[in-house]
Amino acid sequence: EVQLVESGGGLVKPGESLTVSCAASGFRFDRYSMNWVRQAPGRGLEWISTISSTSAYKYYADSLKGRITISRDNYKDSLFLHLNSLTAEDTAVYFCTKTGSDRQVSNYFDYWGQGTLITVSS
Amino acid sequence: DIQMTQSPSTLSASVGDRVTITCRASQTLSSSLAWYQQKPGKAPKVLIYDASNLKSGAPSRFSGRRSGTEFTLTISSLQPDDFATYYCQDYDDHFHTFGQGTILEIK
Repeated sequence: EVQLVESGGGLVKPGESLTVSCAASGFRFDRYSMNWVRQAPGRGLEWISTISSTSAYKYYADSLKGRITISRDNYKDSLFLHLNSLTAEDTAVYFCTKTGSDRQVSNYFDYWGQGTLITVSS
Repeated sequence: DIQMTQSPSTLSASVGDRVTITCRASQTLSSSLAWYQQKPGKAPKVLIYDASNLKSGAPSRFSGRRSGTEFTLTISSLQPDDFATYYCQDYDDHFHTFGQGTILEIK
């Protein structure tokens, strides 16, 4: 059974940094690209980043480029997202997602974690 | 960047109704479009991928279609479990775009 479990969210102050993690299991992690999607309270879904299976390719949403870094550890079946210079507008649930095909970097998202909430407030 | 315009934003319907949700792309896409269902406090679940392929395990009352730059999700006969929020997602390039969402509520 595929499982994605995010962790690392919490309450942070404006201007601070945070890294959230995603522990994957139930599939060959090193064969699939992975993604982060966020959802602000009461708002829609926003794709923020994708990383290819070998970390050779990384893609970022323009709205966050320069403030975020995606990475992965294929030995530990883990995905990470580092966020810098956080503002109140970054308050959201951050979802880890698995790409639906091992033949393409970009594809639909066939599995989602439960999400981890980041709240940015002084 | 590709823009996805999803409509309607809210849809009121009754059990047994046939309903359709639309996403229109700002430019011609391949069929790289998915539909997701999200319930409050839960992660989204994929229903349709590649515009018209039903995800294994999704009920057969859900169907997807593409006509040029317009993509539609149809629910043939609404069931109580279907009242939720629906999103389209373009994955034609490496910069995914979600539609704004459609809240499907009970009339």
